[in-house]
Amino acid sequence: DGGITQSPKYLFRKEGQNVTLSCEQNLNHDAMYWYRQDPGQGLRLIYYSQIVNDFQKGDIAEGYSVSREKKESFPLTVTSAQKNPTAFYLCASSPLGGETQYFGPGTRLLVL
Amino acid sequence: GENVEQHPSTLSVQEGDSAVIKCTYSDSASNYFPWYKQELGKRPQLIIDIRSNVGEKKDQRIAVTLNKTAKHFSLHITETQPEDSAVYFCAATRPEYGNKLVFGAGTILRVKS
Repeated sequence: DGGITQSPKYLFRKEGQNVTLSCEQNLNHDAMYWYRQDPGQGLRLIYYSQIVNDFQKGDIAEGYSVSREKKESFPLTVTSAQKNPTAFYLCASSPLGGETQYFGPGTRLLVL
Repeated sequence: GENVEQHPSTLSVQEGDSAVIKCTYSDSASNYFPWYKQELGKRPQLIIDIRSNVGEKKDQRIAVTLNKTAKHFSLHITETQPEDSAVYFCAATRPEYGNKLVFGAGTILRVKS
């Protein structure tokens, strides 16, 4: 899991602002994932990508967008359309065809 | 799609006792079941996993059992220690889902010393 990094650790969003969360991995993993975690709840899938230049919506994609221009990077943008963005955001990766996912340290997003 | 239910939501045990957390899944085709441990404010970390062709797997004080017929799997922690206190998540997936994990809601385990 040390090969997955997320930045920043804390992020503050103002009303109507788009913010982008970074996720980078040097594990040569093909698949990458974004999850949202709310207090006392499990992890919910926002978006995932199995190969470069391709990604699919997860269970709660509304108000979020992603890109996958490089294998190592899978940034998540929280748009102004996401009305309740306060949460802990976790990025994960796995090798293609492998089920085990390894998580980054997370970004805590707070609304000002 | 897959649905995973996890029980109990909180569990308190005395140090040295055993702890058991149970999960049920809905999709009989699911074939991979990991367990993650998450300490406060930290990332989830894989502690053990099991595939559907195996009924039980053990790693020191931690074991996982799988009952495919009943569609449930359980995490067993023996000789609990204070450092076992954390939130534990179960999950399930199958290849047709692109290896998307479906997580249970989590169990808060408190080990009292």
